[in-house]
Amino acid sequence: AQKITQTQPGMFVQEKEAVTLDCTYDTSDPSYGLFWYKQPSSGEMIFLIYQGSYDQQNATEGRYSLNFQKARKSANLVISASQLGDSAMYFCAMREDGSNYQLIWGAGTKLIIKP
Amino acid sequence: NAGVMQNPRHLVRRRGQEARLRCSPMKGHSHVYWYRQLPEEGLKFMVYLQKENIIDESGMPKERFSAEFPKEGPSILRIQQVVRGDSAAYFCASSPYTGELFFGEGSRLTVL
Repeated sequence: AQKITQTQPGMFVQEKEAVTLDCTYDTSDPSYGLFWYKQPSSGEMIFLIYQGSYDQQNATEGRYSLNFQKARKSANLVISASQLGDSAMYFCAMREDGSNYQLIWGAGTKLIIKP
Repeated sequence: NAGVMQNPRHLVRRRGQEARLRCSPMKGHSHVYWYRQLPEEGLKFMVYLQKENIIDESGMPKERFSAEFPKEGPSILRIQQVVRGDSAAYFCASSPYTGELFFGEGSRLTVL
């Protein structure tokens, strides 16, 4: 079974609009962390935001926020006021604390921001 | 503070040759992870090492692939007798403890 599911292979969004990238996960480990990474066309993996399973508040980092719904096992990334430079692949990843801290990755969503 | 350094950034090999990918973790980091990214896919865990020890190699193919993280020097991912299916981006990440991972820029292997 897929541990991390990103259902949107690709998205087109108008510049300045908000965008939500979906991520659902599956784990029986009570302690885990959820990550979002951005991979531009240049290929590097850029850390965006982190949410711990015990965190009470949704994580926010600048224009990025994480809509964490624990009961539904979803951790959607919200980008406010999108910019052309946001065009990239976005990956959701999970780390189960009982698993040597390796990251399990989703297949990614390709986001294209239109001017 | 230099980040995680990977080299080479791009490597081209013919089938049957050997590929060696190097990763220098961030200063003070003793945990190294290798991931492989096939085209149009997310990253897949390969191996987790601490200095001189392989902690978890459950994601690494049993044949042709090996990894080490010596007491001195970078971590090395070695692929012997490469095949076309080995063409991928190989990412290294390091952490100071079993916590946040810091990624290198990746090494892109192309097998002709």
